[in-house]
Amino acid sequence: EIVLTQSPATLSLSPGERATLSCRASQSVSNYLAWYQQKPGQAPRVLIYDASNRATDIPARFSGSGSGTDFTLTISSLEPEDFALYYCQQRYNWPITFGQGTRLEIK
Amino acid sequence: QVQLVESGGGVVQPGGSLRLSCAASGFTFSRCGMHWVRQAPGKGLEWVTTIWSDGSNQKYADSVRGRFTISRDTSRNTLYLQMNSLRPEDTAVYYCAKQGQPGINWFDPWGQGTLVTVSS
Repeated sequence: EIVLTQSPATLSLSPGERATLSCRASQSVSNYLAWYQQKPGQAPRVLIYDASNRATDIPARFSGSGSGTDFTLTISSLEPEDFALYYCQQRYNWPITFGQGTRLEIK
Repeated sequence: QVQLVESGGGVVQPGGSLRLSCAASGFTFSRCGMHWVRQAPGKGLEWVTTIWSDGSNQKYADSVRGRFTISRDTSRNTLYLQMNSLRPEDTAVYYCAKQGQPGINWFDPWGQGTLVTVSS
């Protein structure tokens, strides 16, 4: 099983700042990594798929990068609605696995 | 637009059974693989199971293999999850999700979820 480790567990920033979230895989997942955002009481929604492709209707301030074992989700300038939980997910191998999540909170 | 609506959750005793449904609309159901993903209270996301678009293959997490069965009815545009021998650790919100693109296993979109509580 591929283990995804996200860091930091919690990130405290202010609106307008840049956020950098990390996801590290226990073995290479090529570029088969997605990022999701989840707000309280809501289902997750995909932000980025295959490491760097923005999903439909996702604002340009969200970007993804990386390949192999190290991946980054960057939010260029935080909006109030961006404070939420973020998960990475790999589809390179079965079982599909998720990271444990990064909580992005308002400082 | 694509819509997924889960139903069938509830409270069940340990060892009991429950069947979840996911009604799909707004896309060609027969062309897309489908998934179930769960989230225990206050915890992260856990993939549970996947079924191929034609129903020919299924994959399961080790934690549910042999107890849960995923299936689909194309005539009804509905995905199912039969859950048997339920355990307290199966307590979670269960989400159905569509393959992001045919044959490619990311999840988009997700349903609103249905809560399953296993407790005596």
